[in-house]
Amino acid sequence: TQLLEQSPQFLSIQEGENLTVYCNSSSVFSSLQWYRQEPGEGPVLLVTVVTGGEVKKLKRLTFQFGDARKDSSLHITAAQPGDTGLYLCAGAGSGAGSYQLTFGKGTKLSVIP
Amino acid sequence: SAVISQKPSRDICQRGTSLTIQCQVDSQVTMMFWYRQQPGQSLTLIATANQGSEATYESGFVIDKFPISRPNLTFSTLTVSNMSPEDSSIYLCSVEQLSTGELFFGEGSRLTVL
Repeated sequence: TQLLEQSPQFLSIQEGENLTVYCNSSSVFSSLQWYRQEPGEGPVLLVTVVTGGEVKKLKRLTFQFGDARKDSSLHITAAQPGDTGLYLCAGAGSGAGSYQLTFGKGTKLSVIP
Repeated sequence: SAVISQKPSRDICQRGTSLTIQCQVDSQVTMMFWYRQQPGQSLTLIATANQGSEATYESGFVIDKFPISRPNLTFSTLTVSNMSPEDSSIYLCSVEQLSTGELFFGEGSRLTVL
């Protein structure tokens, strides 16, 4: 069974601060996806990383996939209240089809104005 | 990306009753999935809804408890049967974009069982 550990589980920061969320596993994933979920909504895909060592930027968000494809991080620069939400990482196994996604428990981020 | 609508968005139910959740997609999709998100927990795949055949259930989930229908390529239902407080959760419908393997989710149905 593939497991994804996310840390921290909860994070409360002031507007303007930087933060990093981690997603770690002992298993290798063919790709890793990051989602953000707001209260009362379903998760929304932010990014997919596929290549070991890959770095993707989405405005103030920087995503990195570990060289060994076992871990990933999400860094947010100058956090804003609109960044508040639950951040989920999900790893795709080596089999075909993303229904084999393994989700982490999520990091609940609160950005205080 | 697909637009996915779920009904109801939330409901409060009595123990022992059953509730059917509907999922409508604005385009034809091959793969539709049902997930459960319990309080403080991760998303857990319940089953894959197959058009024209029985759903494929993951370990720990059975058809008698979570019957699923998939009458066509744009619609599916999940029923939570004989509910207990432990079934209180958010139930999410999702579809896969085959070209990228990415999942798109509905807004979820928050179920509270008293």
